[in-house]
Amino acid sequence: GQNIDQPTEMTATEGAIVQINCTYQTSGFNGLFWYQQHAGEAPTFLSYNVLDGLEEKGRFSSFLSRSKGYSYLLLKELQMKDSASYLCAVRDSNYQLIWGAGTKLIIKP
Amino acid sequence: ETGVTQTPRHLVMGMTNKKSLKCEQHLGHNAMYWYKQSAKKPLELMFVYNFKEQTENNSVPSRFSPECPNSSHLFLHLHTLQPEDSALYLCASSQGTSGDAYEQYFGPGTRLTVT
Repeated sequence: GQNIDQPTEMTATEGAIVQINCTYQTSGFNGLFWYQQHAGEAPTFLSYNVLDGLEEKGRFSSFLSRSKGYSYLLLKELQMKDSASYLCAVRDSNYQLIWGAGTKLIIKP
Repeated sequence: ETGVTQTPRHLVMGMTNKKSLKCEQHLGHNAMYWYKQSAKKPLELMFVYNFKEQTENNSVPSRFSPECPNSSHLFLHLHTLQPEDSALYLCASSQGTSGDAYEQYFGPGTRLTVT
């Protein structure tokens, strides 16, 4: 079966750095997405990786290793507004998105 | 504001009721999706429409009936639901369904409670 694993919950301190990991086993691979979802709101797109390596976008970076079935989202200079759930999703060989259950990130002052 | 709107935002219905969820996208996209989101579970893809044609139906019970009259509007008709159908129902749209990035843009969701 297809599976996406990510930690259920993480806690970090304002101003610090946090890394959210995602491992996947899917039927084929056509890209990996990270979304942010604040409580009670819609998921919003953060990043897309299809080739190995690091994609940087401001305070957020996303890394992919296809051979290891592994990605991480790196958040720097954490702010209170970064408290949210972070969803990892992989597009399989049929271009269907397979979603993880999300990682709830709690930022403490 | 993502360019995808959903109504109603909250809905409480009994198991014998019939109701409909509405989704509209203002992004000029060709693909639209219905997802179910339950607490601490992955997003469950229910239906996919591409150019108004249904391309995915992930074994969804017949008490959920989608309708896509055009590329901008998507409905989910509900009847004789069960309490376990209580969840957040999210609509999304994307430029297409294959190739390139084609990230999905989500609406705010409808919080459905079945009593």
